[in-house]
Amino acid sequence: KAGVTQTPRYLIKTRGQQVTLSCSPISGHRSVSWYQQTPGQGLQFLFEYFSETQRNKGNFPGRFSGRQFSNSRSEMNVSTLELGDSALYLCASSLGEREKLFFGSGTQLSVL
Amino acid sequence: GQNIDQPTEMTATEGAIVQINCTYQTSGFNGLFWYQQHAGEAPTFLSYNVLDGLEEKGRFSSFLSRSKGYSYLLLKELQMKDSASYLCAVTGGGNKLTFGTGTQLKVEL
Repeated sequence: KAGVTQTPRYLIKTRGQQVTLSCSPISGHRSVSWYQQTPGQGLQFLFEYFSETQRNKGNFPGRFSGRQFSNSRSEMNVSTLELGDSALYLCASSLGEREKLFFGSGTQLSVL
Repeated sequence: GQNIDQPTEMTATEGAIVQINCTYQTSGFNGLFWYQQHAGEAPTFLSYNVLDGLEEKGRFSSFLSRSKGYSYLLLKELQMKDSASYLCAVTGGGNKLTFGTGTQLKVEL
């Protein structure tokens, strides 16, 4: 069974640009969550999608958005990039609520 | 809101036992997770506690006291490969997890 797949693995962008990250969950998993990981703040919740609907949202500005498709694949978009957006973005999938999360290897985003 | 505290770093000897503590203050609590993360890799699930008490799984055990807002992860017979960051996370609902900043464990010979 394939794990959670995230693409691309690395990204370099400049301030002001926008970026789209992709996540393919484990087959059969309908919940996809996104987290931002930085050395200082640790893992912070961005949002969660379940059956194409955003079910939970963290405390990030509106520049951070996401969506989920009918096949459960998810994308995350960050517009007007800032230097502070440099981080590892992790996607996690699960069967449902309060089930263990399976994380992908992440997308390392560097904003210059 | 939610606040989670765990030690930043710990060092232990191969073959020994180490206990990593986690304290939390939450506005809602549905369970507590422990994850392991090796450098440059994705976090992997270790345990999930909902009720008070000890859950044992091989060399790893996790304890929860809801009334005290306290959990610990116990690692026995430490191996070099156990050197990693250990993340405590609480859930108040859905799959929204609030993580601590992690405890970096170094296992030495």
